[in-house]
Amino acid sequence: GEDVEQSLFLSVREGDSSVINCTYTDSSSTYLYWYKQEPGAGLQLLTYIFSNMDMKQDQRLTVLLNKKDKHLSLRIADTQTGDSAIYFCAERESGSARQLTFGSGTQLTVLP
Amino acid sequence: NAGVTQTPKFRVLKTGQSMTLLCAQDMNHEYMYWYRQDPGMGLRLIHYSVGEGTTAKGEVPDGYNVSRLKKQNFLLGLESAAPSQTSVYFCASTAGRFGEQYFGPGTRLTVT
Repeated sequence: GEDVEQSLFLSVREGDSSVINCTYTDSSSTYLYWYKQEPGAGLQLLTYIFSNMDMKQDQRLTVLLNKKDKHLSLRIADTQTGDSAIYFCAERESGSARQLTFGSGTQLTVLP
Repeated sequence: NAGVTQTPKFRVLKTGQSMTLLCAQDMNHEYMYWYRQDPGMGLRLIHYSVGEGTTAKGEVPDGYNVSRLKKQNFLLGLESAAPSQTSVYFCASTAGRFGEQYFGPGTRLTVT
């Protein structure tokens, strides 16, 4: 079945850029997503990218997609302490039910 | 709009007890999902529904049942709770063209 892999932890200094990486296996994925989860809360959609795009930028967030290598990344510019959270990568499975497969999440810690 | 709401927020059950978790959405979404989140395992799909009156099994359906009698509500039932069902449960919905799912705040369930 489909699989989505992420590294578990990332630490950066406040003001630096953060890059969170994700790999997936389903070559027929149509959309890929990044979600943010703060402690004790649900998942908040940050951004998504269509599989025929290479890059999408939204304010401090840049998503890069390498479809050949099935690699997705999320870059957060000027990382702030409020960005500390768990970040999930997800892919939309081919099929009509719009199911998503999630990675295990990357815990981002922003150090002052 | 309240978005996606879940009740209750917290619950402690004894082994063998039953309970129902309620998910409600006011966005007129066709698709609804129940996930469980366990440490280091991301989100796993329990059951989902592609419309009122329909349900289907996800990745980890055993021990759970669901019903979608009204379009805005999706209920998750545990008939005989087990300690392995201790988890955080999230409901989500989508009608988005891009498949983006919107999440509720979660229900933290402990089975002793």
